[in-house]
Amino acid sequence: QSALTQPASVSGSPGQSISISCTGTNSDVGNYNLVSWYQQHPGIAPKLIIYDGNKRPSGVSNRFSGSKSGKTASLTISGLQAEDEADYFCCSYAGSSTYVFGTGTKVTVV
Amino acid sequence: QMHLQESGPGLVKPSETLSLTCTVSGGSISSSDYYWGWIRQPPGKGLEWIGSIYYRGFTYYSPSLNSRVTISVDTSKSQFSLKVTSVTAADTAVYYCVRLGRTYYYFDSWGQGTLVTVSS
Repeated sequence: QSALTQPASVSGSPGQSISISCTGTNSDVGNYNLVSWYQQHPGIAPKLIIYDGNKRPSGVSNRFSGSKSGKTASLTISGLQAEDEADYFCCSYAGSSTYVFGTGTKVTVV
Repeated sequence: QMHLQESGPGLVKPSETLSLTCTVSGGSISSSDYYWGWIRQPPGKGLEWIGSIYYRGFTYYSPSLNSRVTISVDTSKSQFSLKVTSVTAADTAVYYCVRLGRTYYYFDSWGQGTLVTVSS
């Protein structure tokens, strides 16, 4: 069970849209529509922002959206804001009640 | 609003056993709707799912840690616990206790996390 692959960093200007990819295998991302995304600011526990690939919990901005194609899931942040600067992690169900996280992506608002 | 709080030693010696407890409040640990789990994050690195437990004691572990990890639950105290044996510096991390669903597949409630350092 290897970690899902994410780009180490992504940057964008305020107002722009950025996307973060999360690539797995046919044993996890490719086999289940059960990818979740977490936002983590420094020193704070991660916060769920997307679940089941493309659903947002109550209270999460609609600027965050998720999608999946094959073995790759993606998180898109539209209308980038300074407060979006954080680390982002994807996570996929991998069968038999097990989970695998992505390597993490640092988003910088320049 | 369910609250999870980790507790345990912040320093463990190499080759010894790391032990942490998570206390659940604001809801029932015996709810049939949830699993309870542990996730860790080495300093400056990514998240790693360690394992999960159902209140009836069914456990699921990461294949990479399976031989060294035990998760248990004490419903009378509304607590679940983590033990990691034979620790090394690589086990130094912030450890989070989390809630996940029995019928949903994401972590929707997190403790604040506790840093455990493995050092002599």
